Amino acid sequence: EDQVTQSPEALRLQEGESSSLNCSYTVSGLRGLFWYRQDPGKGPEFLFTLYSAGEEKEKERLKATLTKKESFLHITAPKPEDSATYLCAVHLFNNYGQNFVFGPGTRLSVLP
Amino acid sequence: GAVVSQHPSRVICKSGTSVKIECRSLDFQATTMFWYRQFPKKSLMLMATSNEGSKATYEQGVEKDKFLINHASLTLSTLTVTSAHPEDSSFYICSAREARRDIQYFGAGTRLSVL
Repeated sequence: EDQVTQSPEALRLQEGESSSLNCSYTVSGLRGLFWYRQDPGKGPEFLFTLYSAGEEKEKERLKATLTKKESFLHITAPKPEDSATYLCAVHLFNNYGQNFVFGPGTRLSVLP
Repeated sequence: GAVVSQHPSRVICKSGTSVKIECRSLDFQATTMFWYRQFPKKSLMLMATSNEGSKATYEQGVEKDKFLINHASLTLSTLTVTSAHPEDSSFYICSAREARRDIQYFGAGTRLSVL
């Protein structure tokens, strides 16, 4: 069964305290992995897409990496404005055709 | 980045009425649009996949007659919640897939409250 999990469920950091969020997947026919940021009451905002193991993408304080089984979202020296829920999603092919599967998200709180 | 517009952002209605939510891709053509439902502090739950010019594909457990989806053009999809009841109250989010880069861009969501 295609599955996407994220850990931790929630994370509290002090401003400037770097950390990583994990997205693990057990899927067949991976086409791509996506990271989104979602603020309360808003739709998800696209951050990155990764297509192959070893690929890395960076944007400001965020860096996403991909292996064959998981992806990490590294946050360097976070600021309070980085507080949000971070969602990962995989785009895959399975017996039912194409599908997008979202993980449950990691709620990040960055304290000043 | 690509922009997806979703309206209305919030709607309050009486039980038994129907509510229409619009989702537009403003600067790209979206052959595929998705409708999600999200409960508080939970992740996105895919309701249906909508392809332009064809019938929507609904996920298991989603009532087709309750949630009517129309994707009449490459830039517009609508979700109509028919005969809404309080249990339909939720946050509904649409997304549009940019085929060239295979990325889903999301609307801002619609908060539906059924009294």
